[in-house]
Amino acid sequence: AQSVTQPDIHITVSEGASLELRCNYSYGATPYLFWYVQSPGQGLQLLLKYFSGDTLVQGIKGFEAEFKRSQSSFNLRKPSVHWSDAAEYFCAVAEPQAGTALIFGKGTTLSVSS
Amino acid sequence: DAGVIQSPRHEVTEMGQEVTLRCKPISGHNSLFWYRQTMMRGLELLIYFNNNVPIDDSGMPEDRFSAKMPNASFSTLKIQPSEPRDSAVYFCASSSGSEQYFGPGTRLTVT
Repeated sequence: AQSVTQPDIHITVSEGASLELRCNYSYGATPYLFWYVQSPGQGLQLLLKYFSGDTLVQGIKGFEAEFKRSQSSFNLRKPSVHWSDAAEYFCAVAEPQAGTALIFGKGTTLSVSS
Repeated sequence: DAGVIQSPRHEVTEMGQEVTLRCKPISGHNSLFWYRQTMMRGLELLIYFNNNVPIDDSGMPEDRFSAKMPNASFSTLKIQPSEPRDSAVYFCASSSGSEQYFGPGTRLTVT
């Protein structure tokens, strides 16, 4: 069965420091891959996506993610974290076609210290 | 564009009552998804529609849950009768391709 694992439940990073959130997936082929962010009491906002092609994808708010097929990973990175990045981050996968549902990881809560 | 619209934003009801959650997808989107978010289970798919037709309802927990999409601009998720374990945030999302856009959610509390 398809699944997504986010090994880190909670991460604290100092403002200005770099960030990497881990995501591993289990899927028979290469799925579509997504990262979403959820601020408290809000809905989910798409940060970036990978369908095919260049394995390093750029997203909004200065985030990027790298797809590594050999490791079944899609880790999210940001070179310098801002206090406003504190939120919950979800990695998700979907079948590689339009109109299919997302399977989410359990999420990683990011706290930013000053 | 107004984005995905959900109503109500908050609902508090007593056990045994009927609850109806509503969703208006983004105009032109042909896929609609209902997800539920809880602390214990995280985000999980309940049901989704393509072109108003239910495609996968395997995530609907029990017969107490039902969903409809009578037209391309409206969907409902009904719980009858509601139970305390149904307390959660229910999200609606829509898409026209592979990117899903989420509504703000409905926070349901069943006492």
